[in-house]
Amino acid sequence: GIQVEQSPPDLILQEGANSTLRCNFSDSVNNLQWFHQNPWGQLINLFYIPSGTKQNGRLSATTVATERYSLLYISSSQTTDSGVYFCAVYNNNDMRFGAGTRLTVKP
Amino acid sequence: NAGVTQTPKFQVLKTGQSMTLQCAQDMNHEYMSWYRQDPGMGLRLIHYSVGAGITDQGEVPNGYNVSRSTTEDFPLRLLSAAPSQTSVYFCASRRSTEVPYEQYFGPGTRLTVT
Repeated sequence: GIQVEQSPPDLILQEGANSTLRCNFSDSVNNLQWFHQNPWGQLINLFYIPSGTKQNGRLSATTVATERYSLLYISSSQTTDSGVYFCAVYNNNDMRFGAGTRLTVKP
Repeated sequence: NAGVTQTPKFQVLKTGQSMTLQCAQDMNHEYMSWYRQDPGMGLRLIHYSVGAGITDQGEVPNGYNVSRSTTEDFPLRLLSAAPSQTSVYFCASRRSTEVPYEQYFGPGTRLTVT
């Protein structure tokens, strides 16, 4: 199956700082999503972004499908951004997740 | 829309017991799936369904059964629970016949097998 690697595995920021999370995948994919898993375990959809760039408030994402990577940008981070960020890729029926980036934002 | 709902939220089983985790969606999505999440890991696909009456195995299907008799419901059955099945289980759904194929997850069921 497709391998998904996320980096960095852990990230600690001061409130207000910016960050970039990376997702590399081993084969071409038609679908890619970014999720935020909050401290209560809930998976929140951030972006469905098989290619191109999208922005939603302080968050934006870019996927370069031909080079098999995606980036998630978080600007002006807040303590509520803490949690684990997952990248997931899929073609037909098999969604593969990376191991996630654990983000801690300190006040 | 309630989205994807799961019951129960928490469950404790003894080794060898069986149980069914319930999942329902009200978005008329064709595709539904079950995942498990172990500590410090991403989610892994257990079983999926592309429509009523059609199911197939994912990455980690052993010890689990599924069926899909309606578009809305996709229960996951543990036949004989084992401690290795202690995990958080997520159900998900998405469209499969028109874009976007964005997947939505339920709130999860935390299962402990003693």
